[in-house]
Amino acid sequence: TQLLEQSPQFLSIQEGENLTVYCNSSSVFSSLQWYRQEPGEGPVLLVTVVTGGEVKKLKRLTFQFGDARKDSSLHITAAQPGDTGLYLCAGANNNDMRFGAGTRLTVKP
Amino acid sequence: SQTIHQWPATLVQPVGSPLSLECTVEGTSNPNLYWYRQAAGRGLQLLFYSVGIGQISSEVPQNLSASRPQDRQFILSSKKLLLSDSGFYLCAWSAARGMAQHFGDGTRLSIL
Repeated sequence: TQLLEQSPQFLSIQEGENLTVYCNSSSVFSSLQWYRQEPGEGPVLLVTVVTGGEVKKLKRLTFQFGDARKDSSLHITAAQPGDTGLYLCAGANNNDMRFGAGTRLTVKP
Repeated sequence: SQTIHQWPATLVQPVGSPLSLECTVEGTSNPNLYWYRQAAGRGLQLLFYSVGIGQISSEVPQNLSASRPQDRQFILSSKKLLLSDSGFYLCAWSAARGMAQHFGDGTRLSIL
């Protein structure tokens, strides 16, 4: 079983601050996805990373896949209240995908 | 484009009653389909997945069952609901196992 640990579990910051959340595992993944989920809705795919060391940017969000493909980070620059939500990472390997427990982000105006 | 529909959005059921949640996908053929349960604001527990019509794999023993009567239809059922079945149920599809998944809007199930 691939275990993905996300940290921190909860994060509350002020609008305009920067933040980084992490997704770590002892397993190697063929790909890793990040999702954002708002209350009462399903998770929405943000990005997929597949190459060790890969960096992808989505506006103010920067995603990095670790060189060994065991971990990933999500950095948000100048956070806005609209970034509030549950951020989930999911790692895929051997035709199997597992989700982390998520980081609950609250951005206060 | 592909879309996924899940209904109902909310459901309140008494203990011991049956359950049927439906999920349909449009715009793709032979999708992999998944049912998840999510505890309040936390991660996803995979309940069932299906790679084709009539093919169901169960991840955890439980009071629920799943069926796939058509290529793009996935149904979550129970004959007798328990209080512990309360939760947020999500349906998802992917082009293949291990690929990015796309989720429905979920069903909030409350058991009284």
